[in-house]
Amino acid sequence: DTGVSQDPRHKITKRGQNVTFRCDPISEHNRLYWYRQTLGQGPEFLTYFQNEAQLEKSRLLSDRFSAERPKGSFSTLEIQRTEQGDSAMYLCASSLVVWGSFNEQFFGPGTRLTVL
Amino acid sequence: DAKTTQPPSMDCAEGRAANLPCNHSTISGNEYVYWYRQIHSQGPQYIIHGLKNNETNEMASLIITEDRKSSTLILPHATLRDTAVYYCIVRVNTGFQKLVFGTGTRLLVSP
Repeated sequence: DTGVSQDPRHKITKRGQNVTFRCDPISEHNRLYWYRQTLGQGPEFLTYFQNEAQLEKSRLLSDRFSAERPKGSFSTLEIQRTEQGDSAMYLCASSLVVWGSFNEQFFGPGTRLTVL
Repeated sequence: DAKTTQPPSMDCAEGRAANLPCNHSTISGNEYVYWYRQIHSQGPQYIIHGLKNNETNEMASLIITEDRKSSTLILPHATLRDTAVYYCIVRVNTGFQKLVFGTGTRLLVSP
């Protein structure tokens, strides 16, 4: 399967613990996005990378959240001192951006986080 | 990005056409209409997009009104696997390309 993959698919943690999620985009895609989705709502944008550079962060991304894409390939999203309000599906997407042409975002299956 | 309005839910019989409406009355001249869908427990999937002309691909057809204030996604022969939440999104096609999702339309296809 050459699609976007995310690991783990499910994570249960206790409040106050740190968690880290991984996203492997489609090979050679230069943009990578993180979204968060709560029950009954559409996905909400968190942040995105152009290669290894993090170019925009949503106000939803508090100081407890940090994302990296160190070599412009896979990305990690870490949440420190988790809170119950962090419980959500965390979605990763990637796209190949070529100037002047349309590029769709391909989404992974998501990581479902439950904070107890 | 302009806002969109979609009905919260729709039903469709298997084999019939599913017509999903979307209102985007404040759309700007350079904004495209995109449709994504999300099947339960999966990430969203791109379906189709258009600017002002009607578009068709292997998944669906997109009909955009002449004034561009509304559009309809058509699944010509709905199957049970088309049961999903369908999102209509409007945005420009250049520059930074985050997607702003609403709550979408939950389409239930029944036998």
